[in-house]
Amino acid sequence: QVQLVESGGGVVQPGGSLRLSCAASGFTFSSYGMHWVRQAPGKGLEWVAFIRYDGSNKYYADSMKGRFTISRDNSRNTLYLQMNSLRADDTAVYYCAKVGLHSDLYFDYWGQGKLVTVSS
Amino acid sequence: DIVMTQSPDSLAVSLGERATINCKSSQSVLYSSNNKNYLAWYQHKPGQPPKLLIYWASTRESGVPDRFSGSGSGTDFTLTISSLQAEDVAVYYCQQYYNFPPTFGQGTKLEIK
Repeated sequence: QVQLVESGGGVVQPGGSLRLSCAASGFTFSSYGMHWVRQAPGKGLEWVAFIRYDGSNKYYADSMKGRFTISRDNSRNTLYLQMNSLRADDTAVYYCAKVGLHSDLYFDYWGQGKLVTVSS
Repeated sequence: DIVMTQSPDSLAVSLGERATINCKSSQSVLYSSNNKNYLAWYQHKPGQPPKLLIYWASTRESGVPDRFSGSGSGTDFTLTISSLQAEDVAVYYCQQYYNFPPTFGQGTKLEIK
């Protein structure tokens, strides 16, 4: 069965950096695009970034452009999110999510999520 | 960006009764070339990841109970739970996947009355 397991969260100071990883199993990782979606405390779901199955194209939410970088290593079945210049409002649970079978822009499996806290 | 607006923000329904959640998009998410609505619904329980319930506005994901149904077209959509069960307590989100960026409604919190 599909499994997505995030790692790398934690507490970081404002202006700092953090890298999240998402280890995928149970499907052919190299055939599917992947997303990061986040949920700030007490807030709703917010899309963060998308990468195509082969890494050829990447898309970001406007508020993350220039600060966040999505990447993947298909040989390791792993998705990454490099987060730089972190701000307090980046505090959230970050989920990796697999694209659906019929479109790249909805999500059929999600990881358990990893909390990132930006605080001094 | 397409803005998704759900109503109500919260809802309390008795066990066994019908629950209805509405979702409105700021522009149509109906793609004329294939006549499909690019609209999904998710269920999100505390401490768990969101779960896909419905895509194409009305197609249930595999394994989703048939008490969950989606309807609507263009800009107005509805998620209906025909007979509320205790395990359905959650926050429900609609999401458009018509274009970038994919956007979610603000969520509707469903509770037991």
